[in-house]
Formats: sequence, structure tokens, C-alpha cells
Amino acid sequence: DAGVIQSPRHEVTEMGQEVTLRCKPISGHNSLFWYRQTMMRGLELLIYFNNNVPIDDSGMPEDRFSAKMPNASFSTLKIQPSEPRDSAVYFCASNTQDTQYFGPGTRLTVL
Amino acid sequence: GENVEQHPSTLSVQEGDSAVIKCTYSDSASNYFPWYKQELGKGPQLIIDIRSNVGEKKDQRIAVTLNKTAKHFSLHITETQPEDSAVYFCAASRGGGSQGNLIFGKGTKLSVKP
Repeated sequence: DAGVIQSPRHEVTEMGQEVTLRCKPISGHNSLFWYRQTMMRGLELLIYFNNNVPIDDSGMPEDRFSAKMPNASFSTLKIQPSEPRDSAVYFCASNTQDTQYFGPGTRLTVL
Repeated sequence: GENVEQHPSTLSVQEGDSAVIKCTYSDSASNYFPWYKQELGKGPQLIIDIRSNVGEKKDQRIAVTLNKTAKHFSLHITETQPEDSAVYFCAASRGGGSQGNLIFGKGTKLSVKP
């Protein structure tokens, strides 16, 4: 199994631009999680889906952030417009029961 | 709200010594406790986990202990090696049927000096 796949691995953009992060979960997993990691705040859960349905988006910082899961094998996290304080590493994880498996992350830099 | 406290935030040991990282959790319904290792530039990787019906679990040089009464769980690494240097995260499951949702500690940066 290829594990959780995320793209791009690195993204550098300018303030105000739209950013789209992508995730392909492990086949057969029915839950998907988006996290943000910074030095100051550690790992923060942004949103998670179960069977493609958003269950809890209380961690999404503000309306500039949105996430979708159109099918069981693909999810996106979009930031529009992006701001410098959004700079962080964004992880996607999937699971089928208890154990979450993380992707390699996307390092986002907003200038 | 529910949270997981992790200590220490940094830990430095000599190669061959043992390392212990401790966590406490607040959600009484938590029943699953994984530990993750994150190396530089990579995502967190599961290294060991324990469920609430077990008090201790061991896998080669790593072991985890759980005290449900006190809501404490710990990671023990024996005979540490330089490649054990990484950030370690503990986590606890959120109760109430939250489909695998985990609460993470803030992490411990372990440095093993050769």
C-alpha cells in the first residue's frame, strides 16, 4: 500500500492567493482528518470526515478555510485568500478503526 | 474541554540510556492510546499503541504503560540509539463514538547523544 498521499509537498504563494491542498487516503479507510502543525500550536485538528461526510469542522480557523471530500479516495483543503499566518505544515491522515495513518504533509509558505 | 498533557517537552539522553515520556488525559471515555514518532520533514508514524483493557505492552526496545485510574500513560525507550532522536507524540481517543478522532499531546523532542 502506498500510504496516505499528499500533494503538493511544498507550496510557496503570495498573500491573497488561493491555495489547494490534496489528499488521497489509504484505500478502504473510511475516516479522513486534516491537521495543521506549527511550532507554537502543535498539531491542530482542522476537520474530519467519516464516509465522505464532514463530521466536525470546529477546528477550521475561519471562513477562508474549506474542505471537501467528493469521494472515498480524494479530499481537498482550500484556503482563499491565504495569509502569512497560514504558513504551516498541513497533514492529512486516514483510518479505518482507531489508528490514524499520516501522510508526509504539505509545507505551506505564504509570503 | 478534553486535553492531553505531555511531559517533558524536551529530553536529552546519552546513547544506551533509557528515556521516559509521560502523558495524562482528561476524557474518561478514552480507550485507545497511540504513540507517534515524527522525524524531521516527515509525518507522524505510529510506533506503538495500547488499549484500555491492557496495562502494559512491549515491542522490542519500546514499551507503553497505562494507568486508567490515574489517567496516565507513558512511553519507555530502553537502550536508546541516535536514530531514536525525533519528536514523539502521545494521543488519546475521544470518547462517545467519534470515529477514531484523537487528542494529541504537544510533543517531546528527544535527542540521543552518541
